[in-house]
Amino acid sequence: DAKTTQPPSMDCAEGRAANLPCNHSTISGNEYVYWYRQIHSQGPQYIIHGLKNNETNEMASLIITEDRKSSTLILPHATLRDTAVYYCIVRENYGGATNKLIFGTGTLLAVQP
Amino acid sequence: DSGVTQTPKHLITATGQRVTLRCSPRSGDLSVYWYQQSLDQGLQFLIQYYNGEERAKGNILERFSAQQFPDLHSELNLSSLELGDSALYFCASSIQPTKYGYTFGSGTRLTVV
Repeated sequence: DAKTTQPPSMDCAEGRAANLPCNHSTISGNEYVYWYRQIHSQGPQYIIHGLKNNETNEMASLIITEDRKSSTLILPHATLRDTAVYYCIVRENYGGATNKLIFGTGTLLAVQP
Repeated sequence: DSGVTQTPKHLITATGQRVTLRCSPRSGDLSVYWYQQSLDQGLQFLIQYYNGEERAKGNILERFSAQQFPDLHSELNLSSLELGDSALYFCASSIQPTKYGYTFGSGTRLTVV
């Protein structure tokens, strides 16, 4: 089962930053945090991932707390096209042989005009 | 285009029938993962293959089977289909997920009538 907790839904105004929280209080030291999104019924799209340091790419920033028990995905300037279900996933890590992603229910982000 | 190719995009078949879904991973990716997404279940992990060998199994029914071929493409076989098997089936691939993440295809929509 997924080991993360996310709010079921959030709203954000277009052009503003969207901050999506995720709780993963039982995360282990070698487990990575991945963020994906799914727009309507398209395939999940990779956004960003990290272990313990904050990460930034062209899509978003990932802020991981020092104790690693929670993280926040930041979309700096949300657009209507960012409306999607966002999944925060803690990847199981058993020596690399079983490294699948287990999806939870995610957060439906609705960007409002 | 994510680089992961799934065919066919849509499939309509009758109960009791058998179908084969195909996935071509991104060039160089050795791992292939299959997921099922039905309306009331979210994204469910089915099975993972790594370089031709089964590595992990999720909630995959006995009526379903998969394999990965020497050229690394994978097929998911669904038999004795039931109405409840109607879903989106996604394939993902990876090479070094802690570095590059996982890439999903656009899915196959299966409708059993």
